[in-house]
This record gives sequence, C-alpha cells and structure tokens, in this order.
Amino acid sequence: EAGVAQSPRYKIIEKRQSVAFWCNPISGHATLYWYQQILGQGPKLLIQFQNNGVVDDSQLPKDRFSAERLKGVDSTLKIQPAKLEDSAVYLCASSQRRGGGETQYFGPGTRLLVL
Amino acid sequence: GEDVEQSLFLSVREGDSSVINCTYTDSSSTYLYWYKQEPGAGLQLLTYIFSNMDMKQDQRLTVLLNKKDKHLSLRIADTQTGDSAIYFCAEKTNAGNMLTFGGGTRLMVKP
Repeated sequence: EAGVAQSPRYKIIEKRQSVAFWCNPISGHATLYWYQQILGQGPKLLIQFQNNGVVDDSQLPKDRFSAERLKGVDSTLKIQPAKLEDSAVYLCASSQRRGGGETQYFGPGTRLLVL
Repeated sequence: GEDVEQSLFLSVREGDSSVINCTYTDSSSTYLYWYKQEPGAGLQLLTYIFSNMDMKQDQRLTVLLNKKDKHLSLRIADTQTGDSAIYFCAEKTNAGNMLTFGGGTRLMVKP
C-alpha cells in the first residue's frame, strides 16, 4: 500500500512570497490533516478535513494560510504572504476515518525555509 | 487544557534498555501514541495504547500507562543504533480526532 505522498520535499522562498504544498493521502482514507512542525517542537495541527469538508481549522492562521481538498482526495496548503516564522516542516497525514483508535499515517513532509 | 511534556534527550548504550517518559494533562485522553521520527523523515507510528489499558507489549516495545498520574512511558529493550531518533508521544481526546504532540525526546544510542 502506497503511503502519504507530499511535494515538494524542500522549498526556499523569500518573505512576502507565496508557496503551496501538495498532499496525496493513502487511497481510501477519508480524513486528512495538515500539521506544522517547527524545528525542535512536536507537530501542531493546522487543519483537519473529512472528505472535502473542514472539520477543524481553529489553529490555522487564516489571514495568510489556506487549504482545500476539493474532490475529497488530494489537498493543497497555501501560505500567502509568507513570514520568517513560517519556516517549518509541513506534514500531511491521513486516516481511514475520524474518531476511535484510527491511526494517522504521516507523509515525509515539506521543509520550508523563509528568508 | 491540553499539554504533553517530554524530556528533551536520552542517551543509552547499545544493548541497554531505553525508557522514554511522557506526561499529559487532559484526563479525557482516549488513545495515547508513540511516534518515531528519523532525520529528514515523517513520523512513523510505533505503537499506541487505549486509555483503559495499563500495559501493551509489542516485540521490543513496552508501553506503560498510569492514568491516575497521567504518565506514559515507552521502554525499548535491547536498544540498537538504528533506534536513534526523536520519539514523540501524542494524545487523542474525545474532542474530534486531533492529536496533541509532546516536544519529542531525542534518543542517542552509543555503540
């Protein structure tokens, strides 16, 4: 079974530029998550989708971050404009469904450096 | 509120046992997880325990849960150099499916 795919793996941009990340979850997984992992810290949830609907985006800085999952499969996370403090690894995860003991499987992440 | 704490660093010799500790504050936690992260890689699920259990063993891994003290530990028996990584504990509560992670414990295994 293929795992969670993410691209690009690395991105370097200047502050105030825009950037987008892409995630393809494990086939059949209804729930998709985006996490931000700042160096030296644990991942922090940004947004959670169930199929193509948003379940929780309370931690998403909506003035600059946006995410969509239009067809309930792939997802994109966008930052516009980027700030220096957005430098982090952005991890995508998926699970078959919400709740219970559903395991989240993580992709390799996109490492973003904002200069 | 939710808060998950871990010690930053642990160093052991190859062949010894490693014990990584984690404390959490949310008493409504339903599942507790251990993830492993190697350099430049995503998180790999190692094991998890349901909150009504106090122990779970899986090959070299033993998870102990003290729900009264809100303390979780991961014991790795016969630690190998390939076990060197950052280990994250995470809790899931009844409020949705979100995970709250600790800051991670860096395990260094010396030959």
